[in-house]
Order: sequence, then C-alpha cells, then structure tokens
Amino acid sequence: QVQLVQSGAEVKKPGASVKVSCKASGYTFTSYYMHWVRQAPGQGLEWMGIINPSGGSTSYAQKFQGRVTMTRDTSTSTVYMELSSLRSEDTAVYYCARESSWISNAFDIWGQGTMVTVSS
Amino acid sequence: EIVLTQSPGTLSLSPGERATLSCRASQSVSSSYLAWYQQKPGQAPRLLIYGASSRATGIPDRFSGSGSGTDFTLTISRLEPEDFAVYYCQQYGSSPPQTFGQGTKVEIK
Repeated sequence: QVQLVQSGAEVKKPGASVKVSCKASGYTFTSYYMHWVRQAPGQGLEWMGIINPSGGSTSYAQKFQGRVTMTRDTSTSTVYMELSSLRSEDTAVYYCARESSWISNAFDIWGQGTMVTVSS
Repeated sequence: EIVLTQSPGTLSLSPGERATLSCRASQSVSSSYLAWYQQKPGQAPRLLIYGASSRATGIPDRFSGSGSGTDFTLTISRLEPEDFAVYYCQQYGSSPPQTFGQGTKVEIK
C-alpha cells in the first residue's frame, strides 16, 4: 500500500543539526512532490518546504531559508530534511506529506511523524 | 503570504449535532486549492476535503466543504464520536508558501 515511513525520534543539543528521513513505497516516487510540515507541541501545522523527487529542485519557507536542506535519493525512494543551528523552538513533530496532482495538489499521504527534541 | 483564520477556536458539541467550521483567507484563494484536514491526538493529519468541496477517498458523506474567494466552510452534518478532533484548513496555490489555518478543535460537550 502507499505509505511514507519516517525515521525515529531524535534528541539534539542547541546548535546541532538533525536529518530526518521519509521513505516512500507503493507508488512511483518521482511522480509526486513531497512537502515537510512541522508541528510544535500543542500548536498548529507549519509548512517548511517542498522537494521535487524527480529533479531534486526545492523551495523553502522564508522562515527556514539558510537553515533547512531537503534532498532525495531516488535509488531508495527516500527524501530527507536537514535542519541546522537547532534551537529550543525547533522542538516539534516533523511530517513529510505527499502532494497529489490528481486531487488538486492536496496532501493525500502523510508520514507518521518524527519527534525532534532540542534540549541542552 | 496568504493568512488563513479559522473560527471558532473551539466548538463544543454533542454527538449527533451539526458542526460548522469557518476558514477565512486574507486574500482570495482559488477554490481548487483549499483543503481541510482532520487531526487526532498523536496522529498525522488526514485529508478530508480538497478543491474546497471534494471529499477525499474513504471520507464519509457527513463531511462537506463549501465556499469560494476568501470564505470557506467545513460542515459535519451529524457528529459521530470519532469526529471529535482538530480540523485545519490549508491553501496550496500554484506557488509556495502553502499555509494552514490555526485549527478548530471540535470537543465533546
């Protein structure tokens, strides 16, 4: 079945970097854009950026420009989100989500989420 | 950047009642690019409605979406126990950034 499986929880110190993976299965990896969305504890959803798994092009929310890098590995159908210079405010659940052009580009499949905790 | 404002923040209703959730945009949104998601505690969001009014696969017909321009509505005709959750609207135009509303919590009265 179509699914996105993310890597496990991470605990990082302020100033460090974290790299979260999202492995796709059940569909043609290069045919669907992938987004990253995060959710701080008790808060709403925040869009971080998008990657085109086919060519690797990316676009990031201005808030994260310079700190976030999204990459992909087509050989393993995996996308990655790396966030650097972590601070306590980056503590959140990070989700990957597939965009589907078949349904007006909505996010139809989501990963299970990866909790990233930033603490000294 | 388009800002989405959802109201009310919390909706307290009983099972069987009708729920009406509002999402207002700071500027006009193409109806093709307005979605609603449901999120339960500890779970990822789930797509309910796309294109403002089309139900996603497997979504019961008690969920319906409507609206255009800057005003959109999600209606749950008769609340079932599993519908108590947080609901987010999202606009996802042809170019980033996509934005989400701050959410409406539907809680049991």
